[in-house]
Amino acid sequence: EVQLVQSGAEVKKPGESLKISCEASGYTFTNYWIGWVRQIPGKGLEWMGIIYPADSDARYTPPFQGQVTISADKSITTAYLQWSSLRASDTAMYYCARQVFGSDAFDVWGQGTMVTVSS
Amino acid sequence: SYELTQPPSVSVSPGQTATITCSGDALPKQFVYWYQQKPGQAPVVVVSKDTGRPSGIPERFSGSSSGTTVTLTISRVQAEDEADYYCQSADSSGTYKVFGGGTKLTVL
Repeated sequence: EVQLVQSGAEVKKPGESLKISCEASGYTFTNYWIGWVRQIPGKGLEWMGIIYPADSDARYTPPFQGQVTISADKSITTAYLQWSSLRASDTAMYYCARQVFGSDAFDVWGQGTMVTVSS
Repeated sequence: SYELTQPPSVSVSPGQTATITCSGDALPKQFVYWYQQKPGQAPVVVVSKDTGRPSGIPERFSGSSSGTTVTLTISRVQAEDEADYYCQSADSSGTYKVFGGGTKLTVL
């Protein structure tokens, strides 16, 4: 079964760093792009960025460029999303998702990781 | 920045047809993907590349495209179709990916 399993919920203070994970199983990790999507509570989906685990080629949409870092470790089939200095405005649910080969659609999603940033 | 525009809400009675639109300047050049998201769940793709229906998605879900507007049509709407629906596409260069603002479908 193809699965993406994300790390658990986090509660952090402004200014702290954080790295959340997305572990893939059931398919060849290096053959598919993995993306990250943000959803602020009660709001819509936001496309953040994407990575190709085979060579760690990472791309970001302008609002998230420089704000987060996407990485991957193919030896443990895991993708990451990290912040060096969190803000209250980073409070959101974060989903990882696998991109369909030859398409921009995300066909498999993780369960989401809720990140709460509060002083 | 590039934006996709969706109506915030659509209401329909069971058995009727729901149509949800998504507008964007680059849509004549870029494919659109539609997702269904129910409360507390991750999104699920229901239409791919404007008109394709992924495996396992009911035939009641269909997509169409005309110029700068694409449409998700849900025929014979059922109570279980009540959800938020999002379109996804890219700017004309294909590099700036974006979701529409989402449409809440209410089944009366």
